[in-house]
This record gives sequence, structure tokens and C-alpha cells, in this order.
Amino acid sequence: QLQESGPGLVKPSGTLSLTCAVSGGSISSTNWWSWVRQPPGQGLEWIGEIYHSGSTNHNPSLTSRVTISVDKFKNQFSLRLNSVTAADTAVYYCATGIVTGSSGTFDIWGRGTMVTVSS
Amino acid sequence: QSVLTQPPSMSAAPGQKVTISCSGSTSNIETHYVSWYQQLPGTAPKLLIYDNNKRPSGIPDRFSGSKSGTSATLGITGLQTGDEADYYCATWDSSLNAGVVFGGGTTLTVL
Repeated sequence: QLQESGPGLVKPSGTLSLTCAVSGGSISSTNWWSWVRQPPGQGLEWIGEIYHSGSTNHNPSLTSRVTISVDKFKNQFSLRLNSVTAADTAVYYCATGIVTGSSGTFDIWGRGTMVTVSS
Repeated sequence: QSVLTQPPSMSAAPGQKVTISCSGSTSNIETHYVSWYQQLPGTAPKLLIYDNNKRPSGIPDRFSGSKSGTSATLGITGLQTGDEADYYCATWDSSLNAGVVFGGGTTLTVL
């Protein structure tokens, strides 16, 4: 299971920080751990992914503002998105693929957490 | 604007069949496996199809996936009112802007 946590409100120009706790499995398993977001009324957008080794891939449109990290001791991974604007308001999901190693396949999702960027 | 193109909306009657298309390019769909997701209102997406045409455990065989060239298709037979949802395709794009890409989503209405 995956569970997102973090502030639900972030001020413009601030930093959005979220954590995804992994339970029932190890973050050191052979799968990538991703963040996906969904603005209100819009579609899904992949933010990026991390492997337990620390290797990452990011959405090119967000890469300059995104940091994804992993904490193997706490069995969790985190997202930091800086210089946020109202356009970053969205439900943020953490997700991973167990059934296959194919990129873009997520069979385990967190419930999602709504983050609003507003002063 | 999404890299993968889906029809914004579709509708069909209960019991009917519907096919949802996902159009991409040589750097994504033609080269990489495609997945499909169902998202009911207020819930996280649910994996329906992976590796173009495989169903995870628990997904009924009413749902099927196929791929040909730069396009992929999700098929749903025996439509039920509970199938009303948003559907998304996804894959990897290996162009200069590499990463996971989603289609814009298709809202399915079961009349």
C-alpha cells in the first residue's frame, strides 16, 4: 500500500513537499516509484520516478523544479516541487508498478492528496 | 496538450461495446508498451490493461487492449452503468522529452 502525506496548502512561490509511505513491501524492491498529479477537472500528469538506488527520471516540463528522493530506512519516498504557482494545484498521487516493469504501468496507487497553492 | 490523443468523450448503451482510441507516435506507442486506466469520480486511477493487452488479476475479460503501429485501443464489451468513468492510456516516450506520458482522457457515458 501507498499513502501520501503533506501540507494541503502551499503559498505561491513556496515549496510543495509530500511523502509517500510504502507498506506491505520494500522500497528496495525492483520497481520504480512515481509521482503523478491531476489538476481539478483535468487529466493525469506524470511528475517523475525514483529507484531505490536514487536514480531518477523527471517530466521534462517540471525537471527544473522537481526533486524526488528515497529514504530506505523509513521505507518511503518524497517529492519536492519548488516555486509553485496556482497551476500546481492538484491531487498528487504516488504510484508504482508491481505486475510488470514496463514504464507507465502503475498497479498500486495511493489515495491521493489534494494540494492547493494559494496565499 | 497531451502527447497521446484520445477522444474527449464517448457514449454507448448498456450491453453495447465501445472502443476507445489512443493515438501517438513512433517515439511512444509504436516503441513501448501501453497501459490503460479507469478512474471513477473521486478515486485514484485503476490499472485495466498493461503491456498492450494483458489484464491484471481481477479485471474482467470484458476489458481488452490492442496496439497497432502508433495507435492503441481499449475495448469494453457488455457495457454496464458502473463502467461510467474516465479512461486514460499511458506509455513511455523516448523522444528528447522522455518520460511517462498519458492521454488526455476519455469520459465514457453509459446511457
